[in-house]
Amino acid sequence: AQSVTQPDIHITVSEGASLELRCNYSYGATPYLFWYVQSPGQGLQLLLKYFSGDTLVQGIKGFEAEFKRSQSSFNLRKPSVHWSDAAEYFCAVGESNYGGSQGNLIFGKGTKLSVKP
Amino acid sequence: EPEVTQTPSHQVTQMGQEVILRCVPISNHLYFYWYRQILGQKVEFLVSFYNNEISEKSEIFDDQFSVERPDGSNFTLKIRSTKLEDSAMYFCASIGTPWGEQFFGPGTRLTVL
Repeated sequence: AQSVTQPDIHITVSEGASLELRCNYSYGATPYLFWYVQSPGQGLQLLLKYFSGDTLVQGIKGFEAEFKRSQSSFNLRKPSVHWSDAAEYFCAVGESNYGGSQGNLIFGKGTKLSVKP
Repeated sequence: EPEVTQTPSHQVTQMGQEVILRCVPISNHLYFYWYRQILGQKVEFLVSFYNNEISEKSEIFDDQFSVERPDGSNFTLKIRSTKLEDSAMYFCASIGTPWGEQFFGPGTRLTVL
């Protein structure tokens, strides 16, 4: 069965510092990978997704992620964090069977990001 | 910008009561989902719905749960007899095509006493 692991429950970075949030997945075939962000009291917003092609994916708000098949990882990065980036970040893997699940997602437990001035 | 809406934002109910959580997906979307997030835990898939029927459901989605699209706009999740462990944030999501972006609503926080 697919699973997603986000090893860091809580990360604190200084504003302007770089950020990397880790995500590892377990999936037999080529995964469909997503990063979502959730601000307090808000729903989940898609930051970026990887389906195929270039393994470095650019997303919104200056985020990027790199798919590394050999490491089963899809880490999220941002070169310079802003205070408004404080939120919870979820990595997710989607089913790859077009004829089946039509896109239901398996989520990691999330990483809470705090930004200090 | 179109968005998924959910009502109510917070529902408090007594154990054993029925609750209906409501969602209005984005108007031209065809695939609908319910997820839940127990406090401090990860978001979990409950059910997907397409063409007026359930496409897939998780093991969480037992006989106490049901979904319905009663008209052209609403998508509801009913819990027939709530249990304490049903307390969670419930998210509705919709997409226009199987691998389009899933748009999530802001969630309904369900508290079962």
